[in-house]
Formats: sequence, C-alpha cells, structure tokens
Amino acid sequence: NAGVTQTPKFRILKIGQSMTLQCTQDMNHNYMYWYRQDPGMGLKLIYYSVGAGITDKGEVPNGYNVSRSTTEDFPLRLELAAPSQTSVYFCASIGGPRGELFFGEGSRLTVL
Amino acid sequence: AQSVTQLDSQVPVFEEAPVELRCNYSSSVSVYLFWYVQYPNQGLQLLLKYLSGSTLVKGINGFEAEFNKSQTSFHLRKPSVHISDTAEYFCAVRDTNAGKSTFGDGTTLTVKP
Repeated sequence: NAGVTQTPKFRILKIGQSMTLQCTQDMNHNYMYWYRQDPGMGLKLIYYSVGAGITDKGEVPNGYNVSRSTTEDFPLRLELAAPSQTSVYFCASIGGPRGELFFGEGSRLTVL
Repeated sequence: AQSVTQLDSQVPVFEEAPVELRCNYSSSVSVYLFWYVQYPNQGLQLLLKYLSGSTLVKGINGFEAEFNKSQTSFHLRKPSVHISDTAEYFCAVRDTNAGKSTFGDGTTLTVKP
C-alpha cells in the first residue's frame, strides 16, 4: 500500500534554477494538495486540485505551477527558484470533503 | 475564510502526566475539525476528527478531543502521556462544502522522563 509518494526527498537548487516535485497517489482520490511547511509554522496551501484537469491556487501560489493530467499524479513546478522557497513540501490527498488528509513523507528543498 | 489558532507553541510535560493542547478556530460556515501528529522527518498522520454527532471524539494512541461550538474550540487531551508522544501536533479545519484545510501553526509536545 504505497499511499502518497513524493520524489525527490531532498534537493539543493541554485537561485534561478527550476525543478519539478513529483507526487503520485494510488488511492483513486479526487482531491490533491501541495503544502509548504516552514520552521515553526503550520502548513500553507500552495495549489490544490479537485480532479483531473482542474487546479486552483491556494494561499501562497506565487513562484509555483501545477498540472493534473491524471487522477494519480499532481506535480509541482518551481520556476526561477528563490531562497524564499527553501522549505519542506508536502503532497496530500483525500477521497472527499469528509475524509482525512493522507500525506507524503515530504520533500526538503534548499535554494542557495 | 477560516483561521486556526493553537494557543500554545510549546508544551513541556512529564511522563504519565495529563496534557491538553488548545485549538480555537474561526469560520463563517460549518466546518469539520481535525488533529494531526507529525513525528520528526515524517509527514502528518491523523489523530482524530470531528465531522458531526457526539462532541467528544476519540482517536488513536489514547487521545481525545472535545468540540465546543459556542467557544469555537477543539482542544486535544490525553490523561497520561508517554515519551513516545513527543511530536508536533496540528489542529486543522475544513469547510464542509470545500476540500481545502486550514492548519494552525502547531504545538510542540515534549514529554520528559
């Protein structure tokens, strides 16, 4: 039972580089989310999706992009990385509004 | 719009003592309420949730929480903590009509021997 799988687990980027964080879930969940977690802070929503082909911005979308071409996959793209994007990124999914969030193990990104 | 306030950023407690982690929320619509736990270098896991019905909900590892609608609170309690309960705890709310969750800033529970 894989649940939510994120890759990579760790990555160091130079300022201005781009990269994609991968997220896939095998629970056939419609709702998927990307959060970032900064030290001493809760989780801030970056982008979310309620189904394939549908995405929307969360609280902190600037500098990021997403796509949802399949139910399983929800990649997060960072364009022109900046030090402010140094954070731990979590992908999560739920089956419906009453469900619990299932989280991946996180991706620790450092931008130098 | 919703907001969540966890009233204590750090809670130190001795092993076998009781603990309460406080959570207040603000919302103009009906919400579902959740507590999650995060162990070091891991993702979050669900402890318990309130969707409807009885205001006292029981979760895993001996935790329970009480939903108080008039005080807009959802405090987490455990009568006797263990060293293994040391972790970060997050309160979250979700609009019953939408899929987005709003999280508090977290409470670090440290259980000392």
